[in-house]
Amino acid sequence: EAGVVQSPRYKIIEKKQPVAFWCNPISGHNTLYWYRQNLGQGPELLIRYENEEAVDDSQLPKDRFSAERLKGVDSTLKIQPAELGDSAVYLCASSPTSGNEQFFGPGTRLTVL
Amino acid sequence: AQSVTQLDSQVPVFEEAPVELRCNYSSSVSVYLFWYVQYPNQGLQLLLKYLSGSTLVESINGFEAEFNKSQTSFHLRKPSVHISDTAEYFCAVSQANFGNEKLTFGTGTRLTIIP
Repeated sequence: EAGVVQSPRYKIIEKKQPVAFWCNPISGHNTLYWYRQNLGQGPELLIRYENEEAVDDSQLPKDRFSAERLKGVDSTLKIQPAELGDSAVYLCASSPTSGNEQFFGPGTRLTVL
Repeated sequence: AQSVTQLDSQVPVFEEAPVELRCNYSSSVSVYLFWYVQYPNQGLQLLLKYLSGSTLVESINGFEAEFNKSQTSFHLRKPSVHISDTAEYFCAVSQANFGNEKLTFGTGTRLTIIP
């Protein structure tokens, strides 16, 4: 069974540029999460989807961050414009509807110069 | 809301020695508890979890953790570590009895095994 797939693995951009991250969850997993992991910290939830619906986006900085999961499968997280403080690892995770375990992808390491 | 405290940011241990990584949590509701491991340049992998039942849970690679409700702790232990255990370990909690709730993580403990 394939795991959670994320791309790109690494991204370097200059501040004020836009950037997008893509995630494909494990097949059949209805719940999808985006976390941000700052250097030396644990991951923090940005947004959680149940199928196409964003059920928890309270920690998503909506002035510059957006996310979508149009068909309830893969998802895209976008930052526009990026700031220096956005440098972090962006992790995607998924879980089955009735599950308690979250399966994580390898993450995208973003560096904003 | 829940919070997790991992007091030790780095733990160096000699190979084949025992190790304990400490985790304490705070919550006003019942929680599920997890330990995740992160190897360099990889994503998080679930090591073990406590949902209910026996307070002592074990992983397939020799780690164990014990849920202590009175001390609000979920410490991770291994009686004899190997070089391959070098990684960052994260303790996490989620609200119990609600499926797929977000995980709240600690700041992590970097375990370094000394040959």
